Amino acid sequence: GQQVMQIPQYQHVQEGEDFTTYCNSSTTLSNIQWYKQRPGGHPVFLIQLVKSGEVKKQKRLTFQFGEAKKNSSLHITATQTTDVGTYFCAGTTSGGYQKVTFGTGTKLQVIP
Amino acid sequence: NAGVTQTPKFQVLKTGQSMTLQCAQDMNHEYMSWYRQDPGMGLRLIHYSVGAGITDQGEVPNGYNVSRSTTEDFPLRLLSAAPSQTSVYFCASYFRGALGRAFFGQGTRLTVV
Repeated sequence: GQQVMQIPQYQHVQEGEDFTTYCNSSTTLSNIQWYKQRPGGHPVFLIQLVKSGEVKKQKRLTFQFGEAKKNSSLHITATQTTDVGTYFCAGTTSGGYQKVTFGTGTKLQVIP
Repeated sequence: NAGVTQTPKFQVLKTGQSMTLQCAQDMNHEYMSWYRQDPGMGLRLIHYSVGAGITDQGEVPNGYNVSRSTTEDFPLRLLSAAPSQTSVYFCASYFRGALGRAFFGQGTRLTVV
């Protein structure tokens, strides 16, 4: 079945450093979404990418969707302590009943 | 506007017991899913539903049953709880189906002893 892997699994950064997490799917995706989960909380939607090669920005966050629509990345510039949490990508497959498969997640810790 | 409501928030079960995790949404979303979250394994899809009366299996369906008699409710039943089902369970409903954003419930932390 479809697999969505994320690397790294964990990342510790000093406040002010940049952070990137990568998402790779074994199959082509219709779209990709990114979510953030704060410790003890539930995943919260950040953004959705649909087009091949699409790039979107939200303040210090930059999201990219690969040309082949099988990979994506999330880059945070100048991390802050409020960025702490686990970041998940989620991909939707096309055909039949569409399934949404979440990645394994990257847990970010920011050291003040 | 309540969004997605999951009950209970916490539950301890003995091995072999059965129980139902409740999930209700008031956004009239057709597409709903159940996930379990375990350390290092992300959110794994258990079952999903594309509308009332239609459900399908996800990655890890064994030991769980679902039904969808109404648009609003999507309960998850554990038939005979096992320690391997100790996890945090999230219900999600999707705006505009699987191609839309997901709204998650607060989660149910289940421990099977």
